[in-house]
Amino acid sequence: NAGVMQNPRHLVRRRGQEARLRCSPMKGHSHVYWYRQLPEEGLKFMVYLQKENIIDESGMPKERFSAEFPKEGPSILRIQQVVRGDSAAYFCASSPLSQGTDTQYFGPGTRLTVL
Amino acid sequence: AQKITQTQPGMFVQEKEAVTLDCTYDTSDQSYGLFWYKQPSSGEMIFLIYQGSYDEQNATEGRYSLNFQKARKSANLVISASQLGDSAMYFCAMREGGGATNKLIFGTGTLLAVQP
Repeated sequence: NAGVMQNPRHLVRRRGQEARLRCSPMKGHSHVYWYRQLPEEGLKFMVYLQKENIIDESGMPKERFSAEFPKEGPSILRIQQVVRGDSAAYFCASSPLSQGTDTQYFGPGTRLTVL
Repeated sequence: AQKITQTQPGMFVQEKEAVTLDCTYDTSDQSYGLFWYKQPSSGEMIFLIYQGSYDEQNATEGRYSLNFQKARKSANLVISASQLGDSAMYFCAMREGGGATNKLIFGTGTLLAVQP
């Protein structure tokens, strides 16, 4: 059973470009979460999605960031017009259910560097 | 507001000895979950152990155990018989229960170095 897949593992962008980060949840998991880890910090929640629905986006910056989890295909975190402050590790996690004891399993992360 | 506090930025431990990593939390919810994750230098986040707020017994997973003291709002991770491969960053996290969201709130982490 493959784990959470994220690609690319490393992404370099120039200021003003767009970054697209992909996440495929574990098989059987229909809930996806995105977190951001700035250098030397813990992870910060960004958004929680189910198929075709955004459940909680309280951690998403108001501008330039968007996320989707379509019926088919991976979840996408999109950052438009990147700035140097967007440089971070972006982690995706998945779980089978939203309640109870279900653990979130993390992907390997995408390390975004903005030049 | 929910909060996780890890007061130890770094810890040293001798190989084969036990070590305790501290974690305290703050929440007004009655139902919540507590997690520990390991982040080695390679960067991935590895789930270690889970404790539910209603669980009466401390969680254990192999060499990992969680010392859950609900009244003190602490959830310390105990690693027994440390190995060199345990050297990593360790994060404590909390999930609220009962709401629509399932987000995790993370502490700032403790960097553990196991010495031979």
